[in-house]
Amino acid sequence: QKEVEQDPGPLSVPEGAIVSLNCTYSNSAFQYFMWYRQYSRKGPELLMYTYSSGNKEDGRFTAQVDKSSKYISLFIRDSQPSDSATYLCATGGGFNKFYFGSGTKLNVKP
Amino acid sequence: NAGVTQTPKFRVLKTGQSMTLLCAQDMNHEYMYWYRQDPGMGLRLIHYSVGEGTTAKGEVPDGYNVSRLKKQNFLLGLESAAPSQTSVYFCASSYSTGAGNTIYFGEGSWLTVV
Repeated sequence: QKEVEQDPGPLSVPEGAIVSLNCTYSNSAFQYFMWYRQYSRKGPELLMYTYSSGNKEDGRFTAQVDKSSKYISLFIRDSQPSDSATYLCATGGGFNKFYFGSGTKLNVKP
Repeated sequence: NAGVTQTPKFRVLKTGQSMTLLCAQDMNHEYMYWYRQDPGMGLRLIHYSVGEGTTAKGEVPDGYNVSRLKKQNFLLGLESAAPSQTSVYFCASSYSTGAGNTIYFGEGSWLTVV
């Protein structure tokens, strides 16, 4: 079993839609959780970071962690064509071990 | 603020040739990493370093070597390139400890082995 599982998509939504991206993880010891956005032919860039459970909001983006179900989510409100990218979830297991999902490709249609 | 810089960005190699990918970070990070990213397989860790002069194997180290002679640089070498090493390579870095630790990536190096 992989440490982090992520639906690869692709996910196609109309502009203005609310997008929900999700991952599950296997190890209850994981404490910090990240979302990266990766545009085509670019490196992953850190989008959101959360520690332990709860929600974190940054503009149109909300990251949510549910440690009881080992589920992490990223919500994008009022999605824009510029949000079209691959989104990777990641978690840290301590000692700088990072585990990444395989990425969900999102396409926001104008 | 450059962050993590990789060179070259694109390279085509013939089977059996050697090359070195260069990575530099200006964030004074202790930890540095080399990943490869392939379709459907996500990011896979090749080698990593926990500090100057140290290196360690990751998930897919075979066919690669690394060196960390200076804290800010991490080099990835391919001694005898194979078509299976066609991939995009990402260098990354992070601080050494603490909650709030996150990993930062470079822009990638696209390598094709023919």
